[in-house]
Amino acid sequence: EVRLVQSGAEVKKPGESLKISCRGSGYSFTSYWIAWVRQMPGKGLEWMGIIYPGDSNTRHSPSFQGQVTISADKSISTAYLQWSSLKASDTAMYFCARHGLLGGAFDIWGQGTVVTVSS
Amino acid sequence: QSVLTQPPSASGTPGQRVTISCSGSSSNIGRNTVNWHQQLPGTAPKLLIYSNNQRPSGVPDRFSGSKSGTSASLAISGLQSEDEADYYCAAWDDFLNGPVFGGGTKLTVL
Repeated sequence: EVRLVQSGAEVKKPGESLKISCRGSGYSFTSYWIAWVRQMPGKGLEWMGIIYPGDSNTRHSPSFQGQVTISADKSISTAYLQWSSLKASDTAMYFCARHGLLGGAFDIWGQGTVVTVSS
Repeated sequence: QSVLTQPPSASGTPGQRVTISCSGSSSNIGRNTVNWHQQLPGTAPKLLIYSNNQRPSGVPDRFSGSKSGTSASLAISGLQSEDEADYYCAAWDDFLNGPVFGGGTKLTVL
């Protein structure tokens, strides 16, 4: 079964750092782009950026450039989303999703990671 | 403000047919295919329609998509209570060089 499994919920304080993960299984992890998508409470979906685990080629949305770091470790089929200094406004659900072969659509989604940033 | 525009809400009674619109521009829907995602309450989004009108394996044929110019629409026929969810359109944007989403439409089955 093709799956993306994300790390668990996080509760952090403003200014702290954080790295969440997304592990792929059941397919060739290095052959598909992985995207990160933010969903703030009660809001819609926002594309943050993408990475190609095969060579770690990365593109960020202009809205998130400089705010987060996207990386991958192909040896363990895992992509990461990282913050160096969290803000309360980073409180959201974060999804990883695979750019599949079906018209380039996000065909497989992780279950989501809730990040809560509060003092 | 989302790049693609969807109505915030839609509703219908069981068995009815409902449509959800998605409006974009020449840099996204006008040049690229449209995908639709369904997000049931408290769950991750799921791909419903890709390449404007194609259904992934397992998606009932009650769901259909279409595109014309810079707009697209999702139609759901034979509405069922389990269709109550948020629906998002998405397309690649050549200006952004990345995917863009609609703001989502909350479908209520009355």
